[in-house]
Amino acid sequence: KQEVTQIPAALSVPEGENLVLNCSFTDSAIYNLQWFRQDPGKGLTSLLLIQSSQREQTSGRLNASLDKSSGRSTLYIAASQPGDSATYLCAVMMNTGFQKLVFGTGTRLLVSP
Amino acid sequence: DARVTQTPRHKVTEMGQEVTMRCQPILGHNTVFWYRQTMMQGLELLAYFRNRAPLDDSGMPKDRFSAEMPDATLATLKIQPSEPRDSAVYFCASGILSIGGRRTEAFFGQGTRLTVV
Repeated sequence: KQEVTQIPAALSVPEGENLVLNCSFTDSAIYNLQWFRQDPGKGLTSLLLIQSSQREQTSGRLNASLDKSSGRSTLYIAASQPGDSATYLCAVMMNTGFQKLVFGTGTRLLVSP
Repeated sequence: DARVTQTPRHKVTEMGQEVTMRCQPILGHNTVFWYRQTMMQGLELLAYFRNRAPLDDSGMPKDRFSAEMPDATLATLKIQPSEPRDSAVYFCASGILSIGGRRTEAFFGQGTRLTVV
């Protein structure tokens, strides 16, 4: 059974810092990995999608890496801003017949001005 | 601006009442998911549809939950009778699974926040 773990559970940083969020998964037979952002009381917004054959994806100040063999992904946020404050979730799509997403428990990020 | 639309956004109901949540997937998407999010369990998959056919609902309590797709533009999740432990945020998501096996990212709706008192 796939298990996805995110460390740390919560993170508080001052504005401008670069930071790394970690995601690990137990079963490397994944199709892709997705990073989401969730604001309080809101839905999930997809940030980055990495296919299993890729090593990293970049979007603006965000960079996500994937090491499938070791079961790890990181989300790097450069020059953090208060607007980045949210919960960040990683989810793996299993390499099975359908698109089940298995979610981590999330990292709650607070960026203070 | 294509998006997954869920209604209602909030629902408060009394225990024992029937609750129906609706989802309009993104036009052209052929897969639909229902997830439930709670503080204790995080996000859990309840049901999965491909081309309107239910492929997996193993995460759903069968005795009180049911999920359907009457047509390609509407997915429903029904709870009857509702219980306080059903209080959670229910998310619908849609995506594409192509004939060649290519799968797109999942796009989520804003969720329905259900409170059963």
